[in-house]
Amino acid sequence: LAKTTQPISMDSYEGQEVNITCSHNNIATNDYITWYQQFPSQGPRFIIQGYKTKVTNEVASLFIPADRKSSTLSLPRVSLSDTAVYYCLRMDSSYKLIFGSGTRLLVRP
Amino acid sequence: EPEVTQTPSHQVTQMGQEVILRCVPISNHLYFYWYRQILGQKVEFLVSFYNNEISEKSEIFDDQFSVERPDGSNFTLKIRSTKLEDSAMYFCASSERTSGGNEQYFGPGTRLTVT
Repeated sequence: LAKTTQPISMDSYEGQEVNITCSHNNIATNDYITWYQQFPSQGPRFIIQGYKTKVTNEVASLFIPADRKSSTLSLPRVSLSDTAVYYCLRMDSSYKLIFGSGTRLLVRP
Repeated sequence: EPEVTQTPSHQVTQMGQEVILRCVPISNHLYFYWYRQILGQKVEFLVSFYNNEISEKSEIFDDQFSVERPDGSNFTLKIRSTKLEDSAMYFCASSERTSGGNEQYFGPGTRLTVT
């Protein structure tokens, strides 16, 4: 399965915009890019999903360029409660989720 | 908002014992999954289930594991003879597959401790 690559960790401050970039060079034509969030001792929670260009919901935006080899999750004005692990996943036709190590985001006051 | 529920929240068992982890998926969902996460490690796919049969399973899901949908609401994971290395958080998830993608909703997990 094609892997996704994302930073191991990021630090930010309350109120800032956070952009987490994920690389997926070998993404297949039918694959979607999906982002999940996980707090300690909780199940992963769906944030956003996209195929190309830009998708926005009440929580985040997802930018996927035309070549689809990368994607950027944008969290506007983060708060302390956004401290979590963020996973970029490639959703293939089997629909099983293959999690990597994710990006540990720490939001400081 | 509908949610996936799991029971128990914590299960302690002795090595060699059988355990059954229970999940109630979201009512109109058709696809069900089990994942596990060993402490400090990645979330790992175990099995997917649709139309009363396994769709796909990982190498982890060996003969010691089985899944069942015994009625219209529950989805269970059975570990026949637990080993120490089965200690982990077990997450159930469900989804309503659509043509545009497949958002999976995860439950809060069951922490399994094998002693």
